[in-house]
Amino acid sequence: GAGVSQSPSNKVTEKGKDVELRCDPISGHTALYWYRQRLGQGLEFLIYFQGNSAPDKSGLPSDRFSAERTGESVSTLTIQRTQQEDSAVYLCASSLTATGGVYEQYFGPGTRLTVT
Amino acid sequence: AQSVTQLGSHVSVSEGALVLLRCNYSSSVPPYLFWYVQYPNQGLQLLLKYTSAATLVKGINGFEAEFKKSETSFHLTKPSAHMSDAAEYFCAVSYSGNTPLVFGKGTRLSVIA
Repeated sequence: GAGVSQSPSNKVTEKGKDVELRCDPISGHTALYWYRQRLGQGLEFLIYFQGNSAPDKSGLPSDRFSAERTGESVSTLTIQRTQQEDSAVYLCASSLTATGGVYEQYFGPGTRLTVT
Repeated sequence: AQSVTQLGSHVSVSEGALVLLRCNYSSSVPPYLFWYVQYPNQGLQLLLKYTSAATLVKGINGFEAEFKKSETSFHLTKPSAHMSDAAEYFCAVSYSGNTPLVFGKGTRLSVIA
């Protein structure tokens, strides 16, 4: 079946502009995650959705970052007034909801954001 | 706070040699542990996971990892490296249900012909 998809694959924007990044999770996956990967770094957690609610937003680096999710489907990560330090690959992952144990997170190919 | 340490940001091995990528976690309770691989310009792909069943976990592409609670380690091994194994490898930990993964900084594996 189809995996997690993200769009755009690449985005170049000028400092100060707003950007929207989109994630389409695997159908039926109720949990959705956003991570950020800066050059040469591991993945940083940004936000987690269970359905369309976000029980954990602790990783959002500033109030310029926000995210929403429609039902158990598409999610959008918005970065307002972009800064050069926002340049990174933004990865989305989805999984089934665990009632015991843990389910694998499936990752999309990422959106490479470059702020000039 | 939960953390994952991957020793060695870059490991280089000869084709056919043993691959050993190290991962240690900080925890007082047994976690769920994962190894992911990332090929250039691609997303992450799960290699294997430990979920408190067998301590020796076998994954895809001939990789395996052993959970050692006494050492808080989950090192990744492969007996014989292939050129196609060259990639970035990430160790990650989760402590319950759908909590976000905590990742190590990654280890880039180079395979020399």
